[in-house]
Amino acid sequence: KAGVTQTPRYLIKTRGQQVTLSCSPISGHRSVSWYQQTPGQGLQFLFEYFSETQRNKGNFPGRFSGRQFSNSRSEMNVSTLELGDSALYLCASSLRGLNTGELFFGEGSRLTVL
Amino acid sequence: GQQLNQSPQSMFIQEGEDVSMNCTSSSIFNTWLWYKQDPGEGPVLLIALYKAGELTSNGRLTAQFGITRKDSFLNISASIPSDVGIYFCAGQLPTNAGGTSYGKLTFGQGTILTVHP
Repeated sequence: KAGVTQTPRYLIKTRGQQVTLSCSPISGHRSVSWYQQTPGQGLQFLFEYFSETQRNKGNFPGRFSGRQFSNSRSEMNVSTLELGDSALYLCASSLRGLNTGELFFGEGSRLTVL
Repeated sequence: GQQLNQSPQSMFIQEGEDVSMNCTSSSIFNTWLWYKQDPGEGPVLLIALYKAGELTSNGRLTAQFGITRKDSFLNISASIPSDVGIYFCAGQLPTNAGGTSYGKLTFGQGTILTVHP
């Protein structure tokens, strides 16, 4: 069974640009969550989607947005990139879409903003 | 916001030794989980705990959900070189009427484990 797939794995952008990251969840998983991981702040929750609806959102500015498609694949977008957005962005999927906490993470997309 | 205090921050041990790490919080959590992250990889779920006082094992790993629901510990017995990595505790808050905890875990800062052969 294929795991959570994230693309691209690595990317470099400059300040002011925007970026779109993609996540394909484990087959059958309908809940997709996004996290930002940095050395200073650790793992921080961005948002969660289930059946194309955002059900939960973390404390990030509006430059961070996401969406989910009918096949459960998800994308997140960061506009007007800042140096501090450099991070590993992790996508996680969950089978039941309930409050179980059992998240299965992808390998992440490492974003570097210059 | 809620924070999890995870300790120790790092550990250097000899192969074969036992390891213990823990997390504490000022908030009550419904669920405690332990994840391991290897370099270049995403976190992998090791153990999930759902009831206060619950003690669960997964091979050489044992974790407990504290009675107060504000803490958890993870023990690794007879460590081996492949245990090297970063271990994270994570907690999930109780769902309120609006169900706003979906997908949201609060993570500790991690324990970096180094095992010397």
